[in-house]
Amino acid sequence: GENVEQHPSTLSVQEGDSAVIKCTYSDSASNYFPWYKQELGKRPQLIIDIRSNVGEKKDQRIAVTLNKTAKHFSLHITETQPEDSAVYFCAAREGYSTLTFGKGTMLLVSP
Amino acid sequence: DAGVIQSPRHEVTEMGQEVTLRCKLISGHNSLFWYRQTMMRGLELLIYFNNNVPIDDSGMPEDRFSAKMPNASFSTLKIQPSEPRDSAVYFCASSFGPDTQYFGPGTRLTVL
Repeated sequence: GENVEQHPSTLSVQEGDSAVIKCTYSDSASNYFPWYKQELGKRPQLIIDIRSNVGEKKDQRIAVTLNKTAKHFSLHITETQPEDSAVYFCAAREGYSTLTFGKGTMLLVSP
Repeated sequence: DAGVIQSPRHEVTEMGQEVTLRCKLISGHNSLFWYRQTMMRGLELLIYFNNNVPIDDSGMPEDRFSAKMPNASFSTLKIQPSEPRDSAVYFCASSFGPDTQYFGPGTRLTVL
């Protein structure tokens, strides 16, 4: 089955800096890669996703890049704000199978 | 749309008791996922239903856990008997086929 590795497990940045979270996956057939944000005590919520026919996708301060050859994808947050502090999960899925999640990255943005 | 609804939001019980967690899917969704989240193991998929049929239950820890979908919009996850190591946050999520999964608010279960 699919295996997703996520790094780093924790990331501390100053407000205004950029943050990058990286994930690798094992199943070359995976073709859908969502990112979820989970604030303390809340549910995971989808913030951005990318499919295998696209190399990069942006939504305001958030971007995701995908390298299918290397089987890795990354989340980039620019101009970080304190409200970006949360746990971020990457996931991968092949076709109609289920999502496999990474272990999560706790992002702390200091004012 | 009210989103995915879960109840109860918090449950505290004693070891050996039966626990039933409930989930209502978003209207129109036909896939239902039960997850368990702990600090040690992260977010684990327990079971996945599509059109009321269990498709993948390989994540169900053991026979003490069972899940049902008595109709297209509702699911239950039952633990009988419960054990302290079952303490976790249990999320259900729904989707329309392979599209985006939307998570419910979760049930925080504490087994004493």
